[in-house]
This record gives sequence, C-alpha cells and structure tokens, in this order.
Amino acid sequence: DGGITQSPKYLFRKEGQNVTLSCEQNLNHDAMYWYRQDPGQGLRLIYYSQIVNDFQKGDIAEGYSVSREKKESFPLTVTSAQKNPTAFYLCASGSGLFVNEQFFGPGTRLTVL
Amino acid sequence: DAKTTQPPSMDCAEGRAANLPCNHSTISGNEYVYWYRQIHSQGPQYIIHGLKNNETNEMASLIITEDRKSSTLILPHATLRDTAVYYCIVRAPTLKNTGNQFYFGTGTSLTVIP
Repeated sequence: DGGITQSPKYLFRKEGQNVTLSCEQNLNHDAMYWYRQDPGQGLRLIYYSQIVNDFQKGDIAEGYSVSREKKESFPLTVTSAQKNPTAFYLCASGSGLFVNEQFFGPGTRLTVL
Repeated sequence: DAKTTQPPSMDCAEGRAANLPCNHSTISGNEYVYWYRQIHSQGPQYIIHGLKNNETNEMASLIITEDRKSSTLILPHATLRDTAVYYCIVRAPTLKNTGNQFYFGTGTSLTVIP
C-alpha cells in the first residue's frame, strides 16, 4: 500500500540528546514537509523540501536539521539546541507542480525528559 | 497568504448536516480555499479545495461566496467519525521555493453528538 510512514509512534529522550525522526514515503512525491504540533495548537512548519538535495526552512527551523538524500526519505533531527522539543511531529508529502494536497503520516510523539 | 477566521468549536447532531464557516476577507484573486481535518492524535487529512466555484466530492461540499470573502464546508450527514478539528486554509499555489506552505491555524473543533 502506498503511504507515509513515521517511526516510532512514541519516542522518549533525555534532555541534551539529539534525536532523529524517520519519515518515509512510497508515493513518488517530490515535496516533503515537517510540522510540529503542540497541545491545542495548529501545525507549524519546520522544514520542507521540494526536490532531492534541496530543502528550505519553515517558520520554526531553529534547533532542527533535515536532509533529503533520497526522494523517499526526509529525516528530521531534533538537536539539543531546540529549547522545547516535546511535541507531536508530523511529516507530509505532496506531488505535482503546486502541491494541492498534502498526505500526512501518523506522527511521532516526542517526549524529552 | 490570507489569514482565516474560524469558530473554535461547534456541535452537530449525528445524521444532520454540519456547516463549518470560514472567513477569509483578505483573500487574493489567485488564492485557493483548502479544508483539512485532523482526528485526535492523527495526521491531518485533505478534504476539499476550491477557487471560486462550489465544489463537491465524496466527503463534503465547499460553498464559496461570490465575493470569495468567506466559505462553508458542508458535511451532509455527519457521523460520529466526523468528530475532528477542521482547518480552513487559504493559499496561492506557487512554484517558488518559498511560499509553498500550508498555514494551519487552530481550526474548528467539531463534535458530532449521538
């Protein structure tokens, strides 16, 4: 089945550690996105990539890093520089020139202890 | 991209139509209206989008006013599984490296009541 997978669903880390969240898609989409969601809030864009080996900062990129070495994969690293990393992280992908529809993964809930 | 205004919450009786309003009074001529919904602790799901004509698909109908300053998402026969947060997004599709984002606000929390 085609879709977006994020793993793991729940992740716990100690403060000060870097952690990498996985996002894989087999939809053959060019564009991929990372969002962060805090309780009771909407989604905020962290990074996005419109093509392999290229990515752009979103609204809240500080303390995060990404790579896009393959079309199918867009991992997000939450670094120790991110002051409030505990959140729900969502990955999405989209196709076409204008990306009218984004397809979302199930999300990873990160808790930093 | 234009900002949108939605009521924070709404209730709807099961089996009745749910009408979710959205104001986007500063919308530009090339901006589309998109609707997504998010069921608790899941990723958002695309519902529908339109420019100026009314649109309908298997999930919902989108009614856009003639001046395009507001729109209404209609779920014709709401079920308990339609309980979710509904996001109204206004966006101009672009080929630029920047500005191709979807801006999700806080949306409307719809509760379908048995």
